[in-house]
Amino acid sequence: DARVTQTPRDKVTEMGQEVTMRCQPILGHNTVFWYRQTMMQGLELLAYFRNRAPLDDSGMPKDRFSAEMPDATLATLKIQPSEPRDSAVYFCASGLDRLKTNNYGYTFGSGTRLTVV
Amino acid sequence: SQKIEQNSEALNIQEGKTATLTCNYTNYSPAYLQWYRQDPGRGPVFLLLIRENEKEKRKERLKVTFDTTLKQSLFHITASQPADSATYLCALDIRQSGGFKTIFGAGTRLFVKA
Repeated sequence: DARVTQTPRDKVTEMGQEVTMRCQPILGHNTVFWYRQTMMQGLELLAYFRNRAPLDDSGMPKDRFSAEMPDATLATLKIQPSEPRDSAVYFCASGLDRLKTNNYGYTFGSGTRLTVV
Repeated sequence: SQKIEQNSEALNIQEGKTATLTCNYTNYSPAYLQWYRQDPGRGPVFLLLIRENEKEKRKERLKVTFDTTLKQSLFHITASQPADSATYLCALDIRQSGGFKTIFGAGTRLFVKA
């Protein structure tokens, strides 16, 4: 089965450090989402891309977060500087956009568990 | 304000019964509504998608209804099994310029007892 691959699986870092999370979407998928999940807030949409172009990053704290898709096989989410409140599980998901299919949902990766101390 | 509400209390049912989970939303007009399953330590897994012009959709033991007037979706699992125990998330696909953004409810935990 095709998978969305996220790295690293776990990351512990000190406050103030830069964190980069990576996602390899499923080949052929043209829509990529970044979500953050915490017990308190649930799954929050941070940003999403269609055909590598950012469509909405309104859920992201702009001063410290950035999301990019340098090519169709890689999406990155960067936090600089990181803060303890950024501790969460970050998920990437990919799929075909609704113009291509309206029968299927999205495939999630296993997530990156980030702990900022 | 815009909200997606799922029952925050866990749902406990006996094996073999039908589980019914609710998703209500306010101040959204979703083009599609999706349901996902999430197990501890894993990412959500897609189950079903229903369009705004559809009333009901079925897949094996799963059934989803979508009432855009009530702004509500119901998710049913018939003949439930202990393996169905998980958190179930509803998600709305919202039209915006260039595409659709997908936003999630907080989920409802389901426990199926043998």
